[in-house]
Amino acid sequence: AQSVTQLDSHVSVSEGTPVLLRCNYSSSYSPSLFWYVQHPNKGLQLLLKYTSAATLVKGINGFEAEFKKSETSFHLTKPSAHMSDAAEYFCVVPFLSGGYNKLIFGAGTRLAVHP
Amino acid sequence: GAGVSQSPSNKVTEKGKDVELRCDPISGHTALYWYRQSLGQGLEFLIYFQGNSAPDKSGLPSDRFSAERTGGSVSTLTIQRTQQEDSAVYLCASSPGLAGGPNFGAGTRLSVL
Repeated sequence: AQSVTQLDSHVSVSEGTPVLLRCNYSSSYSPSLFWYVQHPNKGLQLLLKYTSAATLVKGINGFEAEFKKSETSFHLTKPSAHMSDAAEYFCVVPFLSGGYNKLIFGAGTRLAVHP
Repeated sequence: GAGVSQSPSNKVTEKGKDVELRCDPISGHTALYWYRQSLGQGLEFLIYFQGNSAPDKSGLPSDRFSAERTGGSVSTLTIQRTQQEDSAVYLCASSPGLAGGPNFGAGTRLSVL
């Protein structure tokens, strides 16, 4: 069965320092994987997606993620945090089950950025 | 182009009343999802529509919840006899298929008093 685990519920960094948000997945095949960001009182915005092309995926706002099959990970990184990056981040794996597309969401990681 | 549009953005209702939440997906997107996000909780799957296929209703929490998708486009989520525990943000998303990440609307914040 497919599942997604976000290893940290909260991450706090200082502005200008690197960001690492961890995500591990469980899948019986190489999945697609997404990262979404949700700013306070806003909807979810797609940050980036992995669809079995390049393992290093670049997204919006300077974020990137690397698909590592051997580690079943898809961690989200950014070299230098900005105050506007403070938000909640969700790792998502879609899969096909019984003819239906399902989205499995991680529990989310809340990123705080301090001046 | 236009994204996923949800209306109303906020809805306050009294316990026991019925509510309808609307979702206008991106034109041409065949897949449409409804999710619920409660305070401090993750995203809870409610229902999924794909083209003309029968919807996946496995996430609907009770028979008070129902959803329709007319003409493969607009969708309405109906909650009958609302309860306080129904208070949440209801999110709609649409997608052209499995390969792309779904686009989410801004949500409808439902408050049941």
